[in-house]
Formats: sequence, C-alpha cells, structure tokens
Amino acid sequence: AQSVTQLDSQVPVFEEAPVELRCNYSSSVSVYLFWYVQYPNQGLQLLLKYLSGSTLVESINGFEAEFNKSQTSFHLRKPSVHISDTAEYFCAVKEEPGTASKLTFGTGTRLQVTL
Amino acid sequence: NAGVMQNPRHLVRRRGQEARLRCSPMKGHSHVYWYRQLPEEGLKFMVYLQKENIIDESGMPKERFSAEFPKEGPSILRIQQVVRGDSAAYFCASSLYRAPAYEQYFGPGTRLTVT
Repeated sequence: AQSVTQLDSQVPVFEEAPVELRCNYSSSVSVYLFWYVQYPNQGLQLLLKYLSGSTLVESINGFEAEFNKSQTSFHLRKPSVHISDTAEYFCAVKEEPGTASKLTFGTGTRLQVTL
Repeated sequence: NAGVMQNPRHLVRRRGQEARLRCSPMKGHSHVYWYRQLPEEGLKFMVYLQKENIIDESGMPKERFSAEFPKEGPSILRIQQVVRGDSAAYFCASSLYRAPAYEQYFGPGTRLTVT
C-alpha cells in the first residue's frame, strides 16, 4: 500500500526567505505525485504535479518540486516566499497511473510566512 | 465552467440525526471521490464512484456511511445516526475518465459539526 510522509507539520519562515517542504512516499508501483495547497476554510487547489518526463516541475506562482526516484521524495521549494503563501500544503500520490483511482495524502505542512 | 460544488458548506447535526452531503462534479466529469479531513489531519480517502456504480469503498466506515452517484443529480454522502467523531470536513473531488492522470478537482468542502 502506498503512503506519504510529510515530516514537518509546521514551517515558520520570514517573507522573502527560501523554503522547502519535504515529502517522501512509499509505493510498490510507479506513481504520480501532486502538491495541493489549502487556504483557510477552503478546498484544495492543485499546485503542481509530476506525471513523467522532467523531474523538475514548476507552478505559475514560483513554487517548484523535484521528483527523486532513488530517495522516493518530492520536496516542494520556493526561493522567496510571500505573505500570501501562508497556507497548508499537502503532498499526495496516486498509484495505477493508467486508471482513475484514489489519492493518498500526507498529513500536511502548515507554512506560516511572517514579516 | 463552474467548479465542483458542494452543499451545504456548513452542517450542524445533533447526535443520532442523519447528515446528507451533496456534491455536483465539474461539467463533463464522470468520476467522484469523497475524502474526510479530521481536525489537524490530512485528507483520508473514503469512496470513489462513477455514475450509478461504486468503484472503491475501501475507506468507508463499515456502518452508518453510504454514498451514491445516480444517473441524474449530485453525488450524495449519507451519514446515519451521527456521532461526535463524525465532525470533520468532507471534501468531494471529481475527474474526467481520460489519461493521463485523471486530475482531481476539489470542491470547497462541507464542514459537519455534531453536537
């Protein structure tokens, strides 16, 4: 069975500082990987995804994540955060890439950006 | 194109009552997933449905919970005889039945409070 580990439950960071949110997964088959962001009292929004090809994927708002198969990781990074990035970030995996199936989520990392 | 819609957004029920949560998928989406988010936890998969079929209910509690996705109308998650432990945010997601990743688009959630 697949699982996702987000070791950091909270990450405080100053505005304009870099940040990395860690995500490790385990699965016996190949997977697709996702990062979702959840703002307070809202649903989840897809931030970025890794399906295949280039191991470095980017979002439109400056986040990037790198798929590392040997370390089974998909860490999320941003070189300079903004106050508006304050939110909960969830890493998720999906097995059986060829079919529709459930997502397995990590427990989330709360990113708190302060001045 | 409207996104995934869920109603009600907030629902308060007394112990022993029934809760009905509704989810209208994005236009053209034929797959619906229900997830539950307990306080301070990540999302846990509950059930995956296609029109008139339950495909995977491995995350559904054995008793009191049921789900349907009729040919016409929204998907319904039904919780009978609610207990305090059912208090959570319930999210619905929908996807197309098409490669490559069947990306899931989430609704804003229904926050259930059991008093």
